[in-house]
Amino acid sequence: DSGVTQTPKHLITATGQRVTLRCSPRSGDLSVYWYQQSLDQGLQFLIHYYNGEERAKGNILERFSAQQFPDLHSELNLSSLELGDSALYFCASTLGLAGFNEQFFGPGTRLTVL
Amino acid sequence: SQQGEEDPQALSIQEGENATMNCSYKTSINNLQWYRQNSGRGLVHLILIRSNEREKHSGRLRVTLDTSKKSSSLLITASRAADTASYFCATDSGYRGGGSQGNLIFGKGTKLSVKP
Repeated sequence: DSGVTQTPKHLITATGQRVTLRCSPRSGDLSVYWYQQSLDQGLQFLIHYYNGEERAKGNILERFSAQQFPDLHSELNLSSLELGDSALYFCASTLGLAGFNEQFFGPGTRLTVL
Repeated sequence: SQQGEEDPQALSIQEGENATMNCSYKTSINNLQWYRQNSGRGLVHLILIRSNEREKHSGRLRVTLDTSKKSSSLLITASRAADTASYFCATDSGYRGGGSQGNLIFGKGTKLSVKP
C-alpha cells in the first residue's frame, strides 16, 4: 500500500460525458502528479501540482483539467469524453518539488468510455 | 513522448534464473528510476539511481547507469514467480528553470514472465 488513494477504481461512461477522478496523496506529500496509461501511448505525464499550484503540464488535452485543494487532495476532470480517453489514470505523490525522490503511485482509476 | 526505451519488450525465464532489462534514454537526466507494475495495477517504485551514481543495489535488484551511453540496466537475481510483472524505467524530465519538477517520462516497459 503506497498510501496514495484514488477513487473510483472503475468508471464506465458514455462519449460526451464528464467525469471527475479523485486522488489523495500520502500524508505530508505536497506534490501530486497525474499520469495516463493506455495501450497505444503507454504511460504519459499529464499535469503536476505542488501545494495547490499548477507547476507543469505534459500531454494533457484541453478537455482535461485538474486542481489541487487546500487539503492537498487533487481532482482530474475529463470532459467531452471520447472513446480514446479510455485508459488507466494514475496519480502519484511525493514530498517536495524536486525530482530527486521516488514517486508513490495510487492504484489507478480505470476509465472506460463506451 | 517516450524518453526511456526498454529492451527487451518481453522476457520469459525460469524461476531461479537472472533477468536483465535494459533502458536507453535520449536527453540528460537528473535521475533514473525503475518501477514494477503487476497486471493492471499501480506502479511500485523499485530503485532510484542518481546521475552521478554508477551502480546501486537493493536486495535482489542491481541497477547500473552509464550516462555516457545514456543507458541503464536492471538485473533481478534468482528470480521468482512473484517477479512476473512489467518493468518500466523512468527519467526525470528536468525543468527549463534549472530545477526539476519531477514529472517522470516512462518507457514502454519490459514484460517479464517467470515460470515456476
